[in-house]
Amino acid sequence: DTAVSQTPKYLVTQMGNDKSIKCEQNLGHDTMYWYKQDSKKFLKIMFSYNNKELIINETVPNRFSPKSPDKAHLNLHINSLELGDSAVYFCASSPTRNTEAFFGQGTRLTVV
Amino acid sequence: QKEVEQDPGPLSVPEGAIVSLNCTYSNSAFQYFMWYRQYSRKGPELLMYTYSSGNKEDGRFTAQVDKSSKYISLFIRDSQPSDSATYLCAMKNTGFQKLVFGTGTRLLVSP
Repeated sequence: DTAVSQTPKYLVTQMGNDKSIKCEQNLGHDTMYWYKQDSKKFLKIMFSYNNKELIINETVPNRFSPKSPDKAHLNLHINSLELGDSAVYFCASSPTRNTEAFFGQGTRLTVV
Repeated sequence: QKEVEQDPGPLSVPEGAIVSLNCTYSNSAFQYFMWYRQYSRKGPELLMYTYSSGNKEDGRFTAQVDKSSKYISLFIRDSQPSDSATYLCAMKNTGFQKLVFGTGTRLLVSP
């Protein structure tokens, strides 16, 4: 009965590789997000989608490309991974734009 | 200057103590205020959600918002070792989907 689920939980990969993280929510929410948490635990928004439409793209390098095939899924594809991309990536969802967000368990990405 | 400021701690208290966690912010347009709890290697878990000014209570937790001072607080009564976690405040404008987070305060409750 997981509300917001992400896969994989851990991802270790070499510089230059391309990788994807998947997210699914079974809450019936309209809005989904990707957040990045750095080594100092600071959480910052990357993207926001509302009903499959991109609403926020927060100055993220274009190596990061989100894709929302339907409003229950929001995937994140990263090209040409760099060392600085190492972080924990959280998917989240909210019922509407003006409500609280519910987070997944995170994907810990390590680029070596 | 960050939009939301939060003391990173750690804040160490004995079991049973009343804990006060705080955030200040600079953007007067923030209307929605949240507190999240994050255990190590887990996702943030929503604890409290308030709109505009005022108090909200849920069990041992009380959230306060003072918009005139741009200051929000989370109080935890009868703190337990299981409350040991990082507490993140978050806030947003009306109509904007972006949550702006504080850096989090690490709380340690010792038995």
